[in-house]
Amino acid sequence: GENVEQHPSTLSVQEGDSAVIKCTYSDSASNYFPWYKQELGKRPQLIIDIRSNVGEKKDQRIAVTLNKTAKHFSLHITETQPEDSAVYFCAAVAGGGADGLTFGKGTHLIIQP
Amino acid sequence: DGGITQSPKYLFRKEGQNVTLSCEQNLNHDAMYWYRQDPGQGLRLIYYSQIVNDFQKGDIAEGYSVSREKKESFPLTVTSAQKNPTAFYLCASSSWTDPDTQYFGPGTRLLVL
Repeated sequence: GENVEQHPSTLSVQEGDSAVIKCTYSDSASNYFPWYKQELGKRPQLIIDIRSNVGEKKDQRIAVTLNKTAKHFSLHITETQPEDSAVYFCAAVAGGGADGLTFGKGTHLIIQP
Repeated sequence: DGGITQSPKYLFRKEGQNVTLSCEQNLNHDAMYWYRQDPGQGLRLIYYSQIVNDFQKGDIAEGYSVSREKKESFPLTVTSAQKNPTAFYLCASSSWTDPDTQYFGPGTRLLVL
């Protein structure tokens, strides 16, 4: 089955700086890669996703890049703000069949004022 | 995600007891999922169902059971065979028009007395 590795487990950045979280996956059949943000005690919220037919997707301060050859994808947050502090999860699935997602273990992002 | 509800918010289980977690959605989604979240871990898939009266085991199905008698409901039973049930349980759903995008409920925190 699929295995997703996520790094780092904790990331502390100064407010206004950029943050990058990286994930690798093992199953070459995976073709859908979402990112979720989870605040303490709350449900995960989808913030951005990418499919294997594109290499990059951007939504305001958030972007995701995908390298299918190397089987890794990354989340980039620019101009970080205090409300960006949360745990971020990457996931992967061989999509189209409504199968369950395989998640990374999460990155705790801390924005220092 | 606002159309997915889980109850109760907190649940206490005694040794040897079976307990059932409720998940309901009014989004007319076809697929539903159960994930378990432990501290420092990502979400792990327990069971999922793509249509009524059908479901598949995920990565950690042992000690759990599910049913899917109605499209909008996907209850999870934590049986006495699950020796370490303390965790945060999250239900999710997705539609057939966008099967990869999963929306999460607010979660149930299960504690063992």
